[in-house]
Amino acid sequence: AQSVAQPEDQVNVAEGNPLTVKCTYSVSGNPYLFWYVQYPNRGLQFLLKYITGDNLVKGSYGFEAEFNKSQTSFHLKKPSALVSDSALYFCAVRDMHAGNNRKLIWGLGTSLAVNP
Amino acid sequence: DAGVTQSPTHLIKTRGQHVTLRCSPISGHKSVSWYQQVLGQGPQFIFQYYEKEERGRGNFPDRFSARQFPNYSSELNVNALLLGDSALYLCASSRGSREADTQYFGPGTRLTVL
Repeated sequence: AQSVAQPEDQVNVAEGNPLTVKCTYSVSGNPYLFWYVQYPNRGLQFLLKYITGDNLVKGSYGFEAEFNKSQTSFHLKKPSALVSDSALYFCAVRDMHAGNNRKLIWGLGTSLAVNP
Repeated sequence: DAGVTQSPTHLIKTRGQHVTLRCSPISGHKSVSWYQQVLGQGPQFIFQYYEKEERGRGNFPDRFSARQFPNYSSELNVNALLLGDSALYLCASSRGSREADTQYFGPGTRLTVL
């Protein structure tokens, strides 16, 4: 079955320190992977995606993610966290089974708290 | 350019009623998708429309229906509301319906069913 997992419900990091939000996936074939961020009572904002090519993907607001095929992971990273990065982060993978509408499959989200 | 817009922002209904949620995509985007997000969970796919045709349907009952208009805006309709329909309903637009296309989300409609 196609799935995506975010193993940490919450990540705490001090402002200025590097942050990592973890995501692992299970799909058949080549994965299309996405990261979104959600602020309280708001919709989802697109951060970055991996389709093909370079394993290191750079996105919005200084975020980047590393695609690791052998570990089936797509962890989100930022070199220096800001308090304003505190939000809920979602990883998603495209379900490539033709019978499944090729919809996005979402993780449960990871709450990031950046402490001043 | 304006982002995806949704109306209304908030809505309170009672069980058994009907609700219509509206979405306007980003200019130039021809695909609209609808998601339901329950507190503490990731979004659940409901429908995708592209060029006014349904391209995908998630695992939701027939009480849920949608349509896309010639200007690519969309409506989500939910009949016979249940308490469990209380959620944030998100609309997302994309240029096309390809797997690599990025979906851009609106702010959502918060539906409360009493």
